[in-house]
Amino acid sequence: SQQGEEDPQALSIQEGENATMNCSYKTSINNLQWYRQNSGRGLVHLILIRSNEREKHSGRLRVTLDTSKKSSSLLITASRAADTASYFCATAAIKAAGNKLTFGGGTRVLVKP
Amino acid sequence: DVKVTQSSRYLVKRTGEKVFLECVQDMDHENMFWYRQDPGLGLRLIYFSYDVKMKEKGDIPEGYSVSREKKERFSLILESASTNQTSMYLCASSPQGWDRGLGTQYFGPGTRLLVL
Repeated sequence: SQQGEEDPQALSIQEGENATMNCSYKTSINNLQWYRQNSGRGLVHLILIRSNEREKHSGRLRVTLDTSKKSSSLLITASRAADTASYFCATAAIKAAGNKLTFGGGTRVLVKP
Repeated sequence: DVKVTQSSRYLVKRTGEKVFLECVQDMDHENMFWYRQDPGLGLRLIYFSYDVKMKEKGDIPEGYSVSREKKERFSLILESASTNQTSMYLCASSPQGWDRGLGTQYFGPGTRLLVL
């Protein structure tokens, strides 16, 4: 099973509303990252939060991390049509076989004008 | 800006063909990665490399090999393409640092491969 599981799998909101998506994971992490993917394109890094941080902001994005619950949330405030995309969380963990990111299945967000 | 380019956006190949997917990054990054992306499964790591001529298996290396002869270039090879390798392939790179392999990754636009 995947290390990061996003919830919900899909989200439809009106422009101007806030969008919240969650990510749960199973094992200890070094950091957690959120990426955005526009349809059929590569991923773009949004924000990285380290395991000793609880909250981080970047523009209209707010990320929280609760290591006791092994979960993170991404909030997009005042959404715009351009925020329509898939959002992925990725957990970064130190592994004997090599440090790597493990991605979840993503949340598809549709922002209606 | 970091730029990661992939040789093709779309590729159609026949079963049994040898397929080369090329990835080039222009930011002198030490780390490079190949993922495949399938609906509902997220991204799965195929191979990665921390340095020239170095390669490490990811989570799903079967049926694939890689080559890293130059720092900026990381090639993914499908020795004998099969229909179950139809997928979106994404290349990424990241700079070296204390958090080797744990930091921000920069992705290319992806190659959609269809194997008939």
